[in-house]
Amino acid sequence: AQTVTQSQPEMSVQEAETVTLSCTYDTSESNYYLFWYKQPPSRQMILVIRQEAYKQQNATENRFSVNFQKAAKSFSLKISDSQLGDTAMYFCALTGTASKLTFGTGTRLQVTL
Amino acid sequence: DGGITQSPKYLFRKEGQNVTLSCEQNLNHDAMYWYRQDPGQGLRLIYYSQIVNDFQKGDIAEGYSVSREKKESFPLTVTSAQKNPTAFYLCASRIGVTSNQPQHFGDGTRLSIL
Repeated sequence: AQTVTQSQPEMSVQEAETVTLSCTYDTSESNYYLFWYKQPPSRQMILVIRQEAYKQQNATENRFSVNFQKAAKSFSLKISDSQLGDTAMYFCALTGTASKLTFGTGTRLQVTL
Repeated sequence: DGGITQSPKYLFRKEGQNVTLSCEQNLNHDAMYWYRQDPGQGLRLIYYSQIVNDFQKGDIAEGYSVSREKKESFPLTVTSAQKNPTAFYLCASRIGVTSNQPQHFGDGTRLSIL
């Protein structure tokens, strides 16, 4: 069984500041993939960034980057230069060879002026 | 535009009634998924299908049924056996069965009990 834990139910950040969302996971597989999804108030699920476990280099997508610590089974998301449009629920997710995606319980991020 | 279409957006179920949620994709994706989302919880997998005429149970399949007669379509039926069906339901698809491809999601259906 695989599990994903997000220990921060809610976070707040001021516009233009940087925020880091935490995620830890557990899996018995050696080959797996990690994702961060964003769910704005519209409820649509939007892929933010993904990381292959076999790659040591941390993934980056514009203002979004991850800190992937494989030994610690940690996969945090850093959002730089936060914008009002970043306000959303953020879900960390894990998938292995079984094609199933396991989600964490989410972190609600509020970006304020 | 390619995408995933879920309908209806809102659905109401009476006691003892079966209801069917529609999910159609024109992305030519092989795999399709159904998730349930409850407040304060992440998404939980109900059923998934990696190929036409084949599907597997997810973590919370009891009270639900699916079919995959066409590649583009993966309807979910919420049966009367599902005693707590009120939730937000999301359908997703993926281009292949390899894990490095992300899942793409529809806009969801909110199901409520009358």
